[in-house]
Amino acid sequence: GNSVTQMEGPVTLSEEAFLTINCTYTATGYPSLFWYVQYPGEGLQLLLKATKADDKGSNKGFEATYRKETTSFHLEKGSVQVSDSAVYFCAVGEGSQGNLIFGKGTKLSVKP
Amino acid sequence: ETGVTQTPRHLVMGMTNKKSLKCEQHLGHNAMYWYKQSAKKPLELMFVYSLEERVENNSVPSRFSPECPNSSHLFLHLHTLQPEDSALYLCASSQDRGPSYGYTFGSGTRLTVV
Repeated sequence: GNSVTQMEGPVTLSEEAFLTINCTYTATGYPSLFWYVQYPGEGLQLLLKATKADDKGSNKGFEATYRKETTSFHLEKGSVQVSDSAVYFCAVGEGSQGNLIFGKGTKLSVKP
Repeated sequence: ETGVTQTPRHLVMGMTNKKSLKCEQHLGHNAMYWYKQSAKKPLELMFVYSLEERVENNSVPSRFSPECPNSSHLFLHLHTLQPEDSALYLCASSQDRGPSYGYTFGSGTRLTVV
């Protein structure tokens, strides 16, 4: 089945620093790709998604590009804020039914 | 009320107890899911319901018993749990099943088995 590998955390950055969280996947075909964010004490929220190769998903200053040739979907933000501190999950849709398969999550801490 | 609502937020139960987790969505979604989130492990898909019918059970022990009485409600009935079942249980819904539909998650129930 499909699987997702995310960079190990935690990641600690200063405010306004550049963020990259790496995500690679293994899958048959061309699955949809997602980034979810989980703030402390809450469930997961959809951050952005891409449904085909070379698509760029974006939301709240975050971006990720579906790279079929490298099977990657890295999350980036040009200038992080303290309020971005959370756990970020990369996910891939599996098969025709599209069940979401998640990575282990990467915890981001942004210091003022 | 909008979104996906889970109750209770926190639950402590003994190994011989019987309890139920509740999930409710008012989004008009046709698919609902139960996930288990344990520390340092990926989210584990437990059950999938589509149009109130269970369509997937990912080798979940029988001490977990789901129920979907209608398209807006999903329950997870718990009995004779083990301490290793302590985790955050997340409910999610999606418009339909399919590769491009994102999920809407509830805030979860933090379960502790003592």
